[in-house]
Amino acid sequence: DAGVIQSPRHEVTEMGQEVTLRCKPISGHDYLFWYRQTMMRGLELLIYFNNNVPIDDSGMPEDRFSAKMPNASFSTLKIQPSEPRDSAVYFCASSSTGGASTEAFFGQGTRLTVV
Amino acid sequence: SQKIEQNSEALNIQEGKTATLTCNYTNYSPAYLQWYRQDPGRGPVFLLLIRENEKEKRKERLKVTFDTTLKQSLFHITASQPADSATYLCALDRSGGGADGLTFGKGTHLIIQP
Repeated sequence: DAGVIQSPRHEVTEMGQEVTLRCKPISGHDYLFWYRQTMMRGLELLIYFNNNVPIDDSGMPEDRFSAKMPNASFSTLKIQPSEPRDSAVYFCASSSTGGASTEAFFGQGTRLTVV
Repeated sequence: SQKIEQNSEALNIQEGKTATLTCNYTNYSPAYLQWYRQDPGRGPVFLLLIRENEKEKRKERLKVTFDTTLKQSLFHITASQPADSATYLCALDRSGGGADGLTFGKGTHLIIQP
């Protein structure tokens, strides 16, 4: 398996534009997580899915953020409209159990810059 | 929810010495604790997992200890090398439920100087 695959690696967009981040988890993993990483706050969990169903989106900062998982091999995180404070590195991760009893596999991340 | 503290200051260690990183947590004691390594521009990579009933876990030059009384884990790299320079993150279950994602510390930036 190629691991968790995210695209794009880098995204620069203007404030107010829509941004869509993409993730392909490891095949067979039942859990998918979206994290955001900043210097100030570290890694924060935004939302996670179990068997393609969103379970907890309490970490999503605002209604401008939305995430979907239409099938077991694909998920998107959308920001509409984007704002400069959304600039961060967004990671997708997948795991077999969802907790700390097994390792989480992270993608390379998408570095988002909103100008 | 769980809170994790890691030394936010960079840790400078001379090559060949042992590097020791600290992870302290509050609230409940977790059943599992994990350590990850993160290199610049890359995602975190899993290193080790230790269970609450394990005092110590080893993997090659890495050693992790877990003290549920002190609510602390120590991460050791023996015979450190410049290639060990990275940020190391401690992670726990986000809540006591155990299947709702991980809470991460902000990480400790380790620099091994030749």
